[in-house]
Amino acid sequence: RKEVEQDPGPFNVPEGATVAFNCTYSNSASQSFFWYRQDCRKEPKLLMSVYSSGNEDGRFTAQLNRASQYISLLIRDSKLSDSATYLCVVKHSNASKIIFGSGTRLSIQP
Amino acid sequence: GAVVSQHPSRVICKSGTSVKIECRSLDFQATTMFWYRQFPKQSLMLMATSNEGSKATYEQGVEKDKFLINHASLTLSTLTVTSAHPEDSSFYICSARGTADYEQYFGPGTRLTVT
Repeated sequence: RKEVEQDPGPFNVPEGATVAFNCTYSNSASQSFFWYRQDCRKEPKLLMSVYSSGNEDGRFTAQLNRASQYISLLIRDSKLSDSATYLCVVKHSNASKIIFGSGTRLSIQP
Repeated sequence: GAVVSQHPSRVICKSGTSVKIECRSLDFQATTMFWYRQFPKQSLMLMATSNEGSKATYEQGVEKDKFLINHASLTLSTLTVTSAHPEDSSFYICSARGTADYEQYFGPGTRLTVT
């Protein structure tokens, strides 16, 4: 079983819709959580960190449920430019390596 | 944010030859650099972790004699794919972690095609 699991998608949603991605992690000692975005043939880029209290950045909302070992990302009012692969990322500690999920592909349809 | 460069961005080589990929942190010192490989429609797979001045730590299943990593300075790490074969064709991405924080900054990647 992979340490970080994501639904690979693809998620094909119309422009303007709200879309949610989920991610589960298996190591209860994990301390830090992130969502990265990766465009085709590009490097991954940090989208946002995920905090226990939940956090929002514009149209993006991330939530963490430590008890269920579950992370989510919500995108509201989706834009064509949101089309990308979204990677769930976990770290065991500040100094440890990051562990990527396999990514969820999102395609926003005009 | 911090900048990490990779060179070359794209390389095509013949089977049996060796290819060197450079990863540089341009505006910060990186004690730790990571090398990833990504096959089409798959996620990034960590190949190895290198700390400046010491031997790299390779992930299970990654051949250290085939993928030579050198991290001789705080701003440069190199990955050499020795005796490359077509199955080594992939997108290789490095990332660098600064000494001041624990953020990882990714390079733009190198697309390797072995013919």
